[in-house]
Amino acid sequence: GENVEQHPSTLSVQEGDSAVIKCTYSDSASNYFPWYKQELGKRPQLIIDIRSNVGEKKDQRIAVTLNKTAKHFSLHITETQPEDSAVYFCAAIFTGGGNKLTFGTGTQLKVEL
Amino acid sequence: SAVISQKPSRDICQRGTSLTIQCQVDSQVTMMFWYRQQPGQSLTLIATANQGSEATYESGFVIDKFPISRPNLTFSTLTVSNMSPEDSSIYLCSVGGAAGQGYEQYFGPGTRLTVT
Repeated sequence: GENVEQHPSTLSVQEGDSAVIKCTYSDSASNYFPWYKQELGKRPQLIIDIRSNVGEKKDQRIAVTLNKTAKHFSLHITETQPEDSAVYFCAAIFTGGGNKLTFGTGTQLKVEL
Repeated sequence: SAVISQKPSRDICQRGTSLTIQCQVDSQVTMMFWYRQQPGQSLTLIATANQGSEATYESGFVIDKFPISRPNLTFSTLTVSNMSPEDSSIYLCSVGGAAGQGYEQYFGPGTRLTVT
Protein backbone atom coordinates (compact mmCIF):
# COMPACT_ATOMS: atom_id res chain seq x y z
CA GLY A 1 0.00 0.00 0.00
CA GLU A 2 0.85 3.68 -0.08
CA ASN A 3 3.35 5.09 2.40
CA VAL A 4 3.80 8.83 2.93
CA GLU A 5 6.76 10.29 4.79
CA GLN A 6 6.71 13.89 6.01
CA HIS A 7 9.51 16.18 7.23
CA PRO A 8 10.20 17.98 9.43
CA SER A 9 8.06 16.91 12.37
CA THR A 10 8.39 20.36 13.93
CA LEU A 11 9.23 23.69 12.34
CA SER A 12 9.69 27.04 14.01
CA VAL A 13 9.97 30.23 11.96
CA GLN A 14 9.91 33.94 12.61
CA GLU A 15 6.87 35.88 11.49
CA GLY A 16 7.31 36.97 7.90
CA ASP A 17 9.70 34.17 7.01
CA SER A 18 8.87 31.28 4.68
CA ALA A 19 8.13 27.71 5.75
CA VAL A 20 8.58 24.58 3.67
CA ILE A 21 7.25 21.11 4.49
CA LYS A 22 8.23 18.11 2.38
CA CYS A 23 6.58 14.77 1.74
CA THR A 24 7.52 11.68 -0.22
CA TYR A 25 5.20 8.94 -1.36
CA SER A 26 5.81 5.37 -2.40
CA ASP A 27 3.01 4.48 -4.83
CA SER A 28 3.77 5.81 -8.30
CA ALA A 29 0.07 5.41 -9.14
CA SER A 30 -0.89 8.15 -6.65
CA ASN A 31 -2.35 11.06 -8.55
CA TYR A 32 -3.85 13.50 -6.07
CA PHE A 33 -2.05 15.21 -3.19
CA PRO A 34 -3.97 17.36 -0.68
CA TRP A 35 -2.63 19.31 2.27
CA TYR A 36 -4.58 19.76 5.49
CA LYS A 37 -4.16 22.26 8.31
CA GLN A 38 -5.30 21.21 11.77
CA GLU A 39 -5.52 23.72 14.57
CA LEU A 40 -5.62 22.49 18.14
CA GLY A 41 -8.93 20.83 18.90
CA LYS A 42 -10.28 21.38 15.40
CA ARG A 43 -10.91 19.21 12.37
CA PRO A 44 -8.34 18.95 9.55
CA GLN A 45 -9.07 21.60 6.91
CA LEU A 46 -8.16 21.22 3.26
CA ILE A 47 -5.98 24.19 2.34
CA ILE A 48 -4.56 23.30 -1.06
CA ASP A 49 -4.22 20.30 -3.33
CA ILE A 50 -2.45 19.30 -6.52
CA ARG A 51 -3.09 16.70 -9.17
CA SER A 52 -0.36 14.67 -10.80
CA ASN A 53 -0.68 16.43 -14.15
CA VAL A 54 0.40 19.74 -12.59
CA GLY A 55 3.82 20.72 -11.27
CA GLU A 56 2.88 23.69 -9.11
CA LYS A 57 -0.20 25.37 -7.71
CA LYS A 58 -0.50 28.64 -5.80
CA ASP A 59 -3.19 30.19 -3.65
CA GLN A 60 -2.16 33.53 -2.19
CA ARG A 61 0.58 32.82 0.37
CA ILE A 62 0.58 29.05 0.00
CA ALA A 63 1.88 26.94 -2.85
CA VAL A 64 2.44 23.27 -3.50
CA THR A 65 5.01 21.74 -5.83
CA LEU A 66 5.08 18.20 -7.14
CA ASN A 67 7.96 16.18 -8.56
CA LYS A 68 6.44 12.98 -9.94
CA THR A 69 9.76 11.52 -10.97
CA ALA A 70 11.18 11.80 -7.48
CA LYS A 71 7.79 11.10 -5.89
CA HIS A 72 7.85 14.06 -3.59
CA PHE A 73 5.74 17.15 -3.04
CA SER A 74 6.14 20.20 -0.85
CA LEU A 75 4.07 22.88 0.83
CA HIS A 76 5.42 26.42 0.78
CA ILE A 77 4.04 29.16 3.01
CA THR A 78 5.38 32.66 2.45
CA GLU A 79 5.14 35.69 4.73
CA THR A 80 4.13 33.50 7.64
CA GLN A 81 1.76 34.88 10.26
CA PRO A 82 0.98 33.70 13.81
CA GLU A 83 -2.34 32.29 12.59
CA ASP A 84 -0.40 29.90 10.36
CA SER A 85 0.68 28.06 13.53
CA ALA A 86 -0.91 24.59 13.37
CA VAL A 87 -0.21 20.99 12.44
CA TYR A 88 0.01 20.40 8.70
CA PHE A 89 -0.62 17.01 7.12
CA CYS A 90 0.19 15.94 3.60
CA ALA A 91 -1.69 13.07 2.01
CA ALA A 92 -1.76 11.03 -1.17
CA ILE A 93 -4.54 9.29 -3.05
CA PHE A 94 -4.70 6.88 -5.91
CA THR A 95 -8.08 7.91 -7.28
CA GLY A 96 -8.47 4.62 -9.12
CA GLY A 97 -8.16 2.67 -5.88
CA GLY A 98 -11.07 3.86 -3.78
CA ASN A 99 -9.90 7.44 -3.10
CA LYS A 100 -8.44 6.47 0.26
CA LEU A 101 -6.27 9.14 1.85
CA THR A 102 -2.90 8.06 3.22
CA PHE A 103 -1.56 10.74 5.55
CA GLY A 104 1.92 11.82 6.44
CA THR A 105 2.90 12.01 10.09
CA GLY A 106 2.32 15.75 10.37
CA THR A 107 4.41 18.89 10.90
CA GLN A 108 3.89 21.16 13.88
CA LEU A 109 4.51 24.67 12.56
CA LYS A 110 5.09 27.45 15.05
CA VAL A 111 5.30 31.04 13.83
CA GLU A 112 7.02 33.20 16.42
CA LEU A 113 6.55 36.94 16.78
CA SER B 1 -18.11 22.53 0.55
CA ALA B 2 -20.63 20.25 2.25
CA VAL B 3 -21.63 20.87 5.86
CA ILE B 4 -20.72 17.82 7.93
CA SER B 5 -21.88 17.16 11.47
CA GLN B 6 -21.03 14.42 13.92
CA LYS B 7 -22.79 13.29 17.06
CA PRO B 8 -21.80 13.06 19.83
CA SER B 9 -18.99 15.60 19.88
CA ARG B 10 -17.45 13.86 22.85
CA ASP B 11 -18.23 11.06 25.29
CA ILE B 12 -16.76 9.26 28.25
CA CYS B 13 -17.58 5.56 28.26
CA GLN B 14 -16.88 2.58 30.46
CA ARG B 15 -14.84 -0.32 29.19
CA GLY B 16 -16.86 -3.13 27.72
CA THR B 17 -19.62 -0.87 26.42
CA SER B 18 -20.28 0.32 22.85
CA LEU B 19 -20.73 3.77 21.36
CA THR B 20 -22.32 4.67 18.03
CA ILE B 21 -21.10 7.82 16.28
CA GLN B 22 -23.22 9.48 13.63
CA CYS B 23 -22.04 11.45 10.61
CA GLN B 24 -24.54 13.59 8.70
CA VAL B 25 -23.90 15.58 5.50
CA ASP B 26 -26.17 18.29 4.14
CA SER B 27 -25.84 17.06 0.54
CA GLN B 28 -25.41 13.75 -1.22
CA VAL B 29 -21.83 12.48 -1.42
CA THR B 30 -20.47 9.42 -3.13
CA MET B 31 -17.71 8.72 -0.63
CA MET B 32 -17.73 8.51 3.16
CA PHE B 33 -14.81 7.37 5.28
CA TRP B 34 -14.06 6.87 8.97
CA TYR B 35 -10.70 7.80 10.49
CA ARG B 36 -9.12 7.55 13.90
CA GLN B 37 -6.71 10.12 15.28
CA GLN B 38 -4.96 9.22 18.50
CA PRO B 39 -3.61 12.10 20.63
CA GLY B 40 -0.74 13.89 18.91
CA GLN B 41 -0.81 11.48 15.99
CA SER B 42 -1.75 11.45 12.34
CA LEU B 43 -5.00 10.16 10.90
CA THR B 44 -5.51 6.47 10.22
CA LEU B 45 -8.24 5.19 7.92
CA ILE B 46 -10.53 2.67 9.58
CA ALA B 47 -12.86 1.90 6.69
CA THR B 48 -14.73 3.13 3.66
CA ALA B 49 -18.47 3.30 4.27
CA ASN B 50 -20.21 1.90 1.19
CA GLN B 51 -23.80 2.86 0.55
CA GLY B 52 -26.02 -0.20 0.50
CA SER B 53 -23.24 -2.72 1.10
CA GLU B 54 -20.71 -3.79 3.71
CA ALA B 55 -17.93 -1.37 4.59
CA THR B 56 -14.38 -1.96 3.34
CA TYR B 57 -11.99 -2.20 6.26
CA GLU B 58 -8.30 -1.38 6.34
CA SER B 59 -5.69 -3.72 7.73
CA GLY B 60 -5.93 -3.91 11.50
CA PHE B 61 -9.61 -3.00 11.69
CA VAL B 62 -12.45 -5.54 11.72
CA ILE B 63 -16.20 -5.37 11.37
CA ASP B 64 -16.90 -6.98 14.73
CA LYS B 65 -15.03 -4.18 16.51
CA PHE B 66 -16.06 -1.27 14.25
CA PRO B 67 -19.39 -2.04 12.57
CA ILE B 68 -20.37 0.64 10.07
CA SER B 69 -23.66 1.49 8.44
CA ARG B 70 -24.40 3.71 5.47
CA PRO B 71 -28.09 3.58 4.65
CA ASN B 72 -28.04 6.49 2.18
CA LEU B 73 -25.80 9.09 0.52
CA THR B 74 -25.91 11.58 3.42
CA PHE B 75 -25.55 9.49 6.58
CA SER B 76 -23.24 6.95 8.17
CA THR B 77 -22.61 5.50 11.61
CA LEU B 78 -19.53 3.98 13.20
CA THR B 79 -19.87 1.83 16.30
CA VAL B 80 -16.93 1.24 18.59
CA SER B 81 -17.73 -2.08 20.26
CA ASN B 82 -16.58 -3.65 23.51
CA MET B 83 -14.44 -0.63 24.24
CA SER B 84 -11.12 -0.63 26.07
CA PRO B 85 -8.94 2.34 27.11
CA GLU B 86 -6.89 1.81 23.92
CA ASP B 87 -9.93 2.94 21.94
CA SER B 88 -9.67 6.42 23.46
CA SER B 89 -9.19 8.62 20.42
CA ILE B 90 -10.80 11.12 18.12
CA TYR B 91 -12.99 9.56 15.44
CA LEU B 92 -13.62 11.58 12.30
CA CYS B 93 -15.74 11.01 9.26
CA SER B 94 -14.74 12.44 5.92
CA VAL B 95 -16.76 12.88 2.76
CA GLY B 96 -15.95 13.29 -0.88
CA GLY B 97 -17.53 13.29 -4.27
CA ALA B 98 -20.13 15.95 -3.65
CA ALA B 99 -21.74 17.47 -6.71
CA GLY B 100 -19.44 19.90 -8.48
CA GLN B 101 -16.35 18.71 -6.67
CA GLY B 102 -13.41 16.61 -7.74
CA TYR B 103 -11.26 14.53 -5.47
CA GLU B 104 -11.51 16.82 -2.46
CA GLN B 105 -12.36 15.28 0.89
CA TYR B 106 -13.67 17.19 3.87
CA PHE B 107 -13.78 16.21 7.51
CA GLY B 108 -16.46 16.31 10.13
CA PRO B 109 -15.70 17.98 13.48
CA GLY B 110 -14.79 14.70 15.13
CA THR B 111 -15.93 12.75 18.18
CA ARG B 112 -13.59 12.70 21.16
CA LEU B 113 -13.95 9.36 22.92
CA THR B 114 -12.50 8.60 26.33
CA VAL B 115 -12.77 5.05 27.68
CA THR B 116 -12.31 4.55 31.40
